[in-house]
Amino acid sequence: AQTVTQSQPEMSVQEAETVTLSCTYDTSENNYYLFWYKQPPSRQMILVIRQEAYKQQNATENRFSVNFQKAAKSFSLKISDSQLGDTAMYFCAFMKHGGGTSYGKLTFGQGTILTVHP
Amino acid sequence: DTGVSQDPRHKITKRGQNVTFRCDPISEHNRLYWYRQTLGQGPEFLTYFQNEAQLEKSRLLSDRFSAERPKGSFSTLEIQRTEQGDSAMYLCASSSGTANTGELFFGEGSRLTVL
Repeated sequence: AQTVTQSQPEMSVQEAETVTLSCTYDTSENNYYLFWYKQPPSRQMILVIRQEAYKQQNATENRFSVNFQKAAKSFSLKISDSQLGDTAMYFCAFMKHGGGTSYGKLTFGQGTILTVHP
Repeated sequence: DTGVSQDPRHKITKRGQNVTFRCDPISEHNRLYWYRQTLGQGPEFLTYFQNEAQLEKSRLLSDRFSAERPKGSFSTLEIQRTEQGDSAMYLCASSSGTANTGELFFGEGSRLTVL
């Protein structure tokens, strides 16, 4: 079984600054996806960024980037130029690759509440 | 298409009553998932459909829980004889079986409070 751990229950950052959210995971799988999802207050969860484990290059999406360390089983999210709209709960999630019934079955961390202050 | 929709958004019920939640996925998605999220925790997988077939159920899904997707479109999640421990947000998500990106599209959830 997989586990995902987010050790920062809450984080805060000033608008326009950079913040990094931490995530570690444990798995015996070699081929998998890692995700960061954002859940704004009272709104649906949306995908922020995705990383495929076989890709060594870190994924980036505009102001969002990850630091994927496969050997260390670490997957942190960096948010640059933080905006007020980034205020949300952020979840790190793991999914086995390879299709079948594992597809779409996410294992989530406990979440990190990020507050961006003006 | 406006995304995944769930109904009702909020449900308050007394212990022992039955409740049913509905999920309408994105129309072209053939995969549908139910997750449960308790306060301050990440979502936990409950069950998964591909078209109308229920392919996997978590051990979290006790005998009081039943999910259906009769025509491969919308899905319902029923909880019988509710208990206070069932209080949670029930999230529905869908995905395309062909896109193979791993991305799930979530609804806003149905919040259940059992008194």
